[in-house]
Order: sequence, then C-alpha cells, then structure tokens
Amino acid sequence: KAGVTQTPRYLIKTRGQQVTLSCSPISGHRSVSWYQQTPGQGLQFLFEYFSETQRNKGNFPGRFSGRQFSNSRSEMNVSTLELGDSALYLCASSETGQGHNEQFFGPGTRLTVL
Amino acid sequence: AQSVAQPEDQVKVAEGNPLTVKCTYSVSGNPYLFWYVQYPNRGLQFLLKYITGDNLVKGSYGFEAEFNKSQTSFHLKKPSALVSDSALYFCAVPYSGGYQKVTFGTGTKLQVIP
Repeated sequence: KAGVTQTPRYLIKTRGQQVTLSCSPISGHRSVSWYQQTPGQGLQFLFEYFSETQRNKGNFPGRFSGRQFSNSRSEMNVSTLELGDSALYLCASSETGQGHNEQFFGPGTRLTVL
Repeated sequence: AQSVAQPEDQVKVAEGNPLTVKCTYSVSGNPYLFWYVQYPNRGLQFLLKYITGDNLVKGSYGFEAEFNKSQTSFHLKKPSALVSDSALYFCAVPYSGGYQKVTFGTGTKLQVIP
C-alpha cells in the first residue's frame, strides 16, 4: 500500500495570508490526525477527523481548521498567518482511530511564514 | 490528563553498545504506550506499542521496550546500537477517551558514535 502523502512539501507565505495543506491517508484508513512540530513546542496535536467528522481538537486558535472528505483525504487550513505558525505540519492516519492503533505519518509540509 | 515525559534531551552511545531511551508516563487506568522514531526531514515512524500482556515488547529494527507499572516507565532499548539508529525518538500516549488524540513526549535525540 502507498504511504501517507502530504502536499505540498514546502511552502513559503507572508504574514496575513492563508494556506491549505493536503493529506492523503493510507488506503482504508479512516482516521486522519494533524500535528504541528516546532523546535520550541515539540509535537502538538491539532485535530483528528474520522468519517468526515472532527472528533478531537487540540488547543489551537480558530485560525486553524480542517476537514475530511468522503474518500478520507483531509485538508487543514490556517488563516491570517503569523510568524509563529512556521512549523512542520504532520499528518497521520490510522485504520479506526482507536487509541490502541498506531499511526502512520506522512513526510510533512514545511511551512515558513515571513 | 494523560502525559509522558522524556527526561533526556540527548543520549550518546558508542556503536555496538546497548542503548536506552527513557520514558515515564502518567495515565489513568491501563495505558497504551507507543514509541516513534523520526529521521531528519522525515515524518515519524512507528516502532512499537504496549497494549496489554507481556511487559517486554519487541518492535521494528531490533528495538524493544519494557513496561514497568511500579515505576510508571516504558524505556526503549536495543542491545547493540547502530550508527543508523541516530534519530529523534518520541514516546507517546493516546487520549484516555480512546481516540487518536495523542500526546507526545518532548523527544530524545539519540546519537550513535562510530
């Protein structure tokens, strides 16, 4: 099976702009989670989607949003970008999204906000 | 709230020597615990997990982890380190509700010296 894919791999934006990141999970996986990774804050959970429904959300402002499509592909959107949003954004999928399932991660999208 | 702690930011070990990367946990009830590895400019890869049963869990690439309930620890081990094991290692625990809201440790950078 193909792994988790994320597009684009790299993005450069300026403050105030918005950005959309895309994630395609492993075929058959219905749960998609998003994480933000920064040197200062480490890996932080953004949100998780299962069957097109947001099931969990981390402690991020409303500028961060996401959605999941019927084919399990997911997008996350960040509006009104701030310098602090510069990070590696990781997407992960799992079969059912239950706690005992391991997650499979994509390579990430490196976002730089200038 | 479920949490994990990795007390060491960095671990250095000589090639061929045994390695240990430490993780302690704080969870309610029976924990699910995971180890992931991240190579430079890559997403995370699943190494192993503890769900229930044997306290010694074997995983990918010759790694194993020992679950110790009395010490609330889940240390990652390998009998003989390889230079290619040099990477960032994360311990993780999912949300107590059982869903894929995962809390990661701060990460331990393992450096294996030739």
